Amino acid sequence: DIQMTQSPSTLSASVGDRVTITCRASQSISSWLAWYQQKPGKAPKLLIYKASSLESGVPSRFSGSGSGTEFTLTISSLQPDDFATYYCQQYNNYWTFGQGTKVEIK
Amino acid sequence: EVQLVETGGGLIQPGGSLRLSCAASGFTVSSNYMSWVRQAPGKGLEWVSIIYSGGTTYYADSVKGRFTISRDNSKNTLYLQMNSLRAEDTAIYYCARRPPSPTPYAFDIWGQGTMVTVSS
Repeated sequence: DIQMTQSPSTLSASVGDRVTITCRASQSISSWLAWYQQKPGKAPKLLIYKASSLESGVPSRFSGSGSGTEFTLTISSLQPDDFATYYCQQYNNYWTFGQGTKVEIK
Repeated sequence: EVQLVETGGGLIQPGGSLRLSCAASGFTVSSNYMSWVRQAPGKGLEWVSIIYSGGTTYYADSVKGRFTISRDNSKNTLYLQMNSLRAEDTAIYYCARRPPSPTPYAFDIWGQGTMVTVSS
């Protein structure tokens, strides 16, 4: 099974900050990685697919990069609506999620 | 409007059975890969099962042999039959769509989820 490890688990930041979340796969997954945003009581929302492709309707302040085993999600300028939990997901071999990164207000 | 609506959750005793439904609108379930993902209270996301457009099914080891995914094309609805339920199956269950694509793809549409509580 492919394990996904996100860091950090919690991130405290302020509006306007540049935020980076890292996701590592236990083996190469090529670029078959997605990022989701989840707010309390809501379903996950797809932000990024194929490591760096922005889902339609997602603000351009979100970007993804990486391939193989190391990936990052960057929010260029954190907005009030961005405080949420973010999950990475590999879909190269079955489907596995990272444990999540909670972005909270500093 | 493209959407998924799950129903069927509730409180069930350990060892019991429950069937979840996921009604789709705005697209055809049978033309897509359809999946179930769950989230235990306060925890992360766990993939549970998927059914391909051709009918092939896959399950997480944690539910294999106990859960069955299926669909009714005439009702455009996805199902998850859950048997021999355990306390650790307590979670919000989401259905999600993986669009038809010749290459791997993420889950682009999610339902709002339905809560399953396994407790005596």
